Amino acid sequence: QSVLTQPPSASGTPGQRVTMSCSGSISNIGSHYVFWYQHFPGTAPRLLIYKDDQRPSGVPDRFSGSKSGTSASLAISGLRSEDEADYYCATWDSSFKWMFGAGTKVTVL
Amino acid sequence: EVQLVESGGGLVQPGGSLRLSCEGSGFTFRNFWITWVRQAPGKGLEYVANIREDASEKYYGDSVKGRVTISRDNVNNAVHLQMNRLRVEDTAVYYCARDEKWSGWDVWGKGTTVTVSS
Repeated sequence: QSVLTQPPSASGTPGQRVTMSCSGSISNIGSHYVFWYQHFPGTAPRLLIYKDDQRPSGVPDRFSGSKSGTSASLAISGLRSEDEADYYCATWDSSFKWMFGAGTKVTVL
Repeated sequence: EVQLVESGGGLVQPGGSLRLSCEGSGFTFRNFWITWVRQAPGKGLEYVANIREDASEKYYGDSVKGRVTISRDNVNNAVHLQMNRLRVEDTAVYYCARDEKWSGWDVWGKGTTVTVSS
């Protein structure tokens, strides 16, 4: 069972906006940066968001991150079929280890 | 080309050992933390271990602590993961990734598969 709580699934039609949450505690999200990764099974994960809300170069601005207190969110606007993947939040914990959420599977209807 | 390449995976019996390696190229390896992350079949991503640029800090996930040792060789641009007393539940694809000062794991290897089975 993950310390970071993510909804198991999210869905939307092409063009819609989809959001997903990542809930933690004061010892992880509440004290440290949140990162988001996109993962297609069988391939290496891809960094989407770092330091809560920063996008690496090459990541479309359709992807945005935010954080408030002990929760964080990832939003995908203008949903596209190629966005169908698993999305994981990650953060450092004050017990000196990284934490992942269990992942949210995004389906494009 | 900036890349990380994992090696050392394979089939091992429960209780056995394996040494995974992660070799970097195309960037200044000694400037980056290196982290190992794994994904078991049908499961999500799981943190395994990470090591600071100069190896002065090493941290481990709860499920491997006491059985795994991470080390690095900045001369040969490599990080190693010595895995002992392997369990069936250690079966997974193991990825290594780099991180510079909280910029996120921006470069990942393709992974190496570890199968623990009798």
